Amino acid sequence: KAGVTQTPRYLIKTRGQQVTLSCSPISGHRSVSWYQQTPGQGLQFLFEYFSETQRNKGNFPGRFSGRQFSNSRSEMNVSTLELGDSALYLCASSLGTPSSGANVLTFGAGSRLTVL
Amino acid sequence: AQSVTQLGSHVSVSEGALVLLRCNYSSSVPPYLFWYVQYPNQGLQLLLKYTSAATLVKGINGFEAEFKKSETSFHLTKPSAHMSDAAEYFCAVSNSGNTPLVFGKGTRLSVIA
Repeated sequence: KAGVTQTPRYLIKTRGQQVTLSCSPISGHRSVSWYQQTPGQGLQFLFEYFSETQRNKGNFPGRFSGRQFSNSRSEMNVSTLELGDSALYLCASSLGTPSSGANVLTFGAGSRLTVL
Repeated sequence: AQSVTQLGSHVSVSEGALVLLRCNYSSSVPPYLFWYVQYPNQGLQLLLKYTSAATLVKGINGFEAEFKKSETSFHLTKPSAHMSDAAEYFCAVSNSGNTPLVFGKGTRLSVIA
């Protein structure tokens, strides 16, 4: 059974550019969550999607956006990149609905974004 | 809102020694608690979870954690450390109120030969 696949694994952008990251969840998983991981802030929740609807959103500026497609694949976009956006972006999928706190998240390996 | 505090950003133990990683949580409702491990250049992998069944939870790779409501703690232990246990460990909390999983800052475990 394939795991959570994130592409690209590594990318370098310059300030002001935009970036799109992709996440393919485990087959059958309908919930996808995104987290930003940095050395200083740790893991911070970005957003969660279920059945193509955003169910939760973290405390990030509007430059961060996402969407989910009918096949549960998800993308996140960051516009007008800033140096502080350099991070590992982790996607996770789960089988249950967002209202179940017992959901186990299965993480991808992440997309490491460097902004110069 | 729930939160997690992991005491010690870095813990170093000798091979064969006891591993103890501390986690305290804050939650207004009975929580679900998790420990995840992250190896270099990888995503997070679930070690174990507590969902209000037995208070002592056994996970993979010989790890276990005990839920102590009176102390609001969920410490992770392993009797004997292996070199392969060197990684970063994250404690996380959730509840049933349609809120996302909240992670602690993580504890990096080093194992010395």
